[in-house]
Amino acid sequence: EDKVVQSPLSLVVHEGDTVTLNCSYEVTNFRSLLWYKQEKKAPTFLFMLTSSGIEKKSGRLSSILDKKELFSILNITATQTGDSAIYLCAVEGRRGTYKYIFGTGTRLKVLA
Amino acid sequence: DTGVSQDPRHKITKRGQNVTFRCDPISEHNRLYWYRQTLGQGPEFLTYFQNEAQLEKSRLLSDRFSAERPKGSFSTLEIQRTEQGDSAMYLCASSLGTVSYEQYFGPGTRLTVT
Repeated sequence: EDKVVQSPLSLVVHEGDTVTLNCSYEVTNFRSLLWYKQEKKAPTFLFMLTSSGIEKKSGRLSSILDKKELFSILNITATQTGDSAIYLCAVEGRRGTYKYIFGTGTRLKVLA
Repeated sequence: DTGVSQDPRHKITKRGQNVTFRCDPISEHNRLYWYRQTLGQGPEFLTYFQNEAQLEKSRLLSDRFSAERPKGSFSTLEIQRTEQGDSAMYLCASSLGTVSYEQYFGPGTRLTVT
């Protein structure tokens, strides 16, 4: 059965710290992996990854995919209190289905 | 607001009642998804439409759940004979054409079954 596992489940850091969030997956015919940020409402899109070793970057956030080892990481540098959220990873499990399997998320809390 | 909208935002119902939720996707988006999210979990896929065609339905979706997208625009999700286990946030998302990865989520409908 396809599955997506995120770790850690929760994390508390102080402003300015760097964090690394992990997402590992077991799916049939991998197509894409997505990262979302969810605050108190709907998830908002961060990154889409399809190729190994190519870093995607947006400001203080960056992400990379390893298709051989079946995982992705999301890095946040110089964290701010506004980064506090749940970070979700989702993987398209079967090519062409456009059906995404989400992990349980990592709850990040950044303290001032 | 040109984003995905959902109505109602909150629904409290008694066990055994039927409820219906509506989702209006971004107007040019031809793909529409329904997810269910419970506390501490990521969204669980329920069903997916391409235009008006329902292409996939999760095994999680019992026969009490039905979804429609009659004209390829808005969609409705109906739950019949609600149970307490149906209490959750129901999220709708839409995406455009072959660029399927970037799903835009609506604010969700929070269902509480008492």
